[in-house]
Amino acid sequence: GAVVSQHPSWVICKSGTSVKIECRSLDFQATTMFWYRQFPKQSLMLMATSNEGSKATYEQGVEKDKFLINHASLTLSTLTVTSAHPEDSSFYICSASSGAYNEQFFGPGTRLTVL
Amino acid sequence: AQSVTQPDIHITVSEGASLELRCNYSYGATPYLFWYVQSPGQGLQLLLKYFSGDTLVQGIKGFEAEFKRSQSSFNLRKPSVHWSDAAEYFCAVGASAAGNKLTFGGGTRVLVKP
Repeated sequence: GAVVSQHPSWVICKSGTSVKIECRSLDFQATTMFWYRQFPKQSLMLMATSNEGSKATYEQGVEKDKFLINHASLTLSTLTVTSAHPEDSSFYICSASSGAYNEQFFGPGTRLTVL
Repeated sequence: AQSVTQPDIHITVSEGASLELRCNYSYGATPYLFWYVQSPGQGLQLLLKYFSGDTLVQGIKGFEAEFKRSQSSFNLRKPSVHWSDAAEYFCAVGASAAGNKLTFGGGTRVLVKP
């Protein structure tokens, strides 16, 4: 149980285009989903927290207009990187929580490369 | 605010030898503590977690961790390392007061020598 999927697993796009990444909880209802960014050989940095039906809460320094997060249902959250630039290239990981004991279940990650 | 420190960036261990990864946290109350493992290009897999109760926690893949409140530590151990244990390990702390957020340490990369 507690499986989280992400799609796509990798994406290459041109600078200036927008990219959407999906995060799904496959076998449980996720009241909260989290989006992280991980640069090579670095730790995970929380970008934002989203609760179903509410606006996402962004961490300090994260541009909400650039990283659009939608949590439309208890099993799906999306991250859209708008007008992507090479510096947005990174590994994006989502996690989902049902609220119990802070436990988060992580997706496999999405590698974004912006040319 | 909570914080996590993993003092060792890299650790190299021989296959069959024991492994201990250090984790120190900072939080005002009793934290929720986690250890995750990440293989290259992959997401995170939960090894074990501590919420309350017995301070020695058993996890998957033969790992265990001990919560020591007096030392603000949650070190991860494995008695005998296998080559497949080579990966990046992250310690994380969470607190309900922080809205279920996790704060991750910087990670420790484990290399296993044959």
